[in-house]
Amino acid sequence: GQQLNQSPQSMFIQEGEDVSMNCTSSSIFNTWLWYKQEPGEGPVLLIALYKAGELTSNGRLTAQFGITRKDSFLNISASIPSDVGIYFCAVSTSGTYKYIFGTGTRLKVLA
Amino acid sequence: NAGVTQTPKFQVLKTGQSMTLQCAQDMNHEYMSWYRQDPGMGLRLIHYSVGAGITDQGEVPNGYNVSRSTTEDFPLRLLSAAPSQTSVYFCASGNNSPLHFGNGTRLTVT
Repeated sequence: GQQLNQSPQSMFIQEGEDVSMNCTSSSIFNTWLWYKQEPGEGPVLLIALYKAGELTSNGRLTAQFGITRKDSFLNISASIPSDVGIYFCAVSTSGTYKYIFGTGTRLKVLA
Repeated sequence: NAGVTQTPKFQVLKTGQSMTLQCAQDMNHEYMSWYRQDPGMGLRLIHYSVGAGITDQGEVPNGYNVSRSTTEDFPLRLLSAAPSQTSVYFCASGNNSPLHFGNGTRLTVT
């Protein structure tokens, strides 16, 4: 089946550092989403991207939808302890709700 | 407005037992789906529904049944539980918008 490759798999960073993670696919998708999951909870939507080349921010988070429609990155600036969690990318094709999820990037922030 | 509600939060089953995982949403979403989450595997789609009376298979449907008799509810049934079904199960819903997730059911099959 189709696969999303997320990297890195895990990150340990110091509080205050910037973080960058990405997500790539061998297929073209028209919607790219970034979710965050905290322990014991379901994923929560951070940013949704619908247009190739689109750059969108949500507070300290910035995500871009790659121009080829095969990749996306998520940046977190000035990390804080509550940024800890697993970050998932997800994709879908227009007109469907069949989202495919990446395997996640596990982020740990050291105070 | 509770969003997506899943019950139970935890469940332990013996091999061969059956059970139903409940999912309800109060956002009038047409689309509902079930995912399982396993370490290193991300979220994999089990079954989904685009409206009452309509269901379809996802990536990993074997061993699971679903039905959608109302817009609000989308139960997931395990007819004969197997250890390979030990996982965390998430229900999600949407309506021309990205998915909203419940908080999951952690299932252990011994």
